[in-house]
Amino acid sequence: DGGITQSPKYLFRKEGQNVTLSCEQNLNHDAMYWYRQDPGQGLRLIYYSQIVNDFQKGDIAEGYSVSREKKESFPLTVTSAQKNPTAFYLCASNNDRVNYGYTFGSGTRLTVV
Amino acid sequence: GQNIDQPTEMTATEGAIVQINCTYQTSGFNGLFWYQQHAGEAPTFLSYNVLDGLEEKGRFSSFLSRSKGYSYLLLKELQMKDSASYLCAVKEAGNNRKLIWGLGTSLAVNP
Repeated sequence: DGGITQSPKYLFRKEGQNVTLSCEQNLNHDAMYWYRQDPGQGLRLIYYSQIVNDFQKGDIAEGYSVSREKKESFPLTVTSAQKNPTAFYLCASNNDRVNYGYTFGSGTRLTVV
Repeated sequence: GQNIDQPTEMTATEGAIVQINCTYQTSGFNGLFWYQQHAGEAPTFLSYNVLDGLEEKGRFSSFLSRSKGYSYLLLKELQMKDSASYLCAVKEAGNNRKLIWGLGTSLAVNP
């Protein structure tokens, strides 16, 4: 079955360390997105990519970096420059040819101690 | 600017009907989505409206009025498992595939 996979589901890191969150999709979707969700808040866009080897900053890109070397993969690195990295991170993908908006991964809950 | 408004919280009783409203102001419009999100899980797609009117899908229906910048999600025969957050999102016109998200409405269904 096609889908979008995020790993790991839970991640713990020490303050000052960089950490990379994985996102892989086999839906043949062109566009991929990274969102952050904090308790009681909506989805905030970190980075998005509409095509391989190209990506744009979202609303809260500071302290994060991404790459899009393959259509299937869009990893997110949370760097030590991110002031409040503890959050729930969601990866999503979509394709204009189907009107169902986004398909989401199951999310990664990052805790920095 | 871009803005999507939804009530923060709602409470309803099992078996009843509840309507969750969403108003939007965006730069162009190319469709409105409703998603359901249970605590700690990813959002799941519920409905998509691009033309005015009501779209019915089982116990869930969604309505759109583009002239009023308004949508609602109607949930019938409420079940306990419907307790979740409901997110309204708008797709703007143009080639940009980004969605603009509301903050979500937390629905509590009581027995």
